Amino acid sequence: AQSVTQLDSQVPVFEEAPVELRCNYSSSVSVYLFWYVQYPNQGLQLLLKYLSGSTLVKGINGFEAEFNKSQTSFHLRKPSVHISDTAEYFCAVSEMRGSQGNLIFGKGTKLSVKP
Amino acid sequence: EPEVTQTPSHQVTQMGQEVILRCVPISNHLYFYWYRQILGQKVEFLVSFYNNEISEKSEIFDDQFSVERPDGSNFTLKIRSTKLEDSAMYFCASSETVNSPLHFGNGTRLTVT
Repeated sequence: AQSVTQLDSQVPVFEEAPVELRCNYSSSVSVYLFWYVQYPNQGLQLLLKYLSGSTLVKGINGFEAEFNKSQTSFHLRKPSVHISDTAEYFCAVSEMRGSQGNLIFGKGTKLSVKP
Repeated sequence: EPEVTQTPSHQVTQMGQEVILRCVPISNHLYFYWYRQILGQKVEFLVSFYNNEISEKSEIFDDQFSVERPDGSNFTLKIRSTKLEDSAMYFCASSETVNSPLHFGNGTRLTVT
């Protein structure tokens, strides 16, 4: 079975500051890794995903994440955040042998960007 | 950009009542999913659906739940006899292929009283 841990439930940060949202996972099988974002009153939107290849993945809105197999981590980063990045961010995994649709989510991290 | 649409946005029902949550997936997508998020908890996979049958379901998806694609556009989740603990946000999602990213709807907030 897989599990996903997002250590920070809330991350406050000032506009234009860098941010890192942490995600660790555990799995007995190889997994795909995802970050989703949920803006207020909206559905989940895919930010980026790691399937294979380069461990540094770039996504939408200037976000990137790095897959670290030895540390079983997939932390999300942005060098300079905007007010509009205020949202909840979810890390998720799915088994490589299954479909990408059976996602195991973390509890989410609420990013709050202050002026 | 095409979207997954869910109706209603908020549904209130009494315990023991049947409820149907509706979703219109993106038109060329073939794989459909339901997830739920109980307030303050993780988003949880319920079921996936392809070619008019369930392809995968979680332990949460017991006999009280059913899914259907009654026509070419709608994808529904039925809860036969709702319980208080069914109160949650229910998300529908669809994908073009089994390995394509999921597109989520905005969710239906179900409140069971």
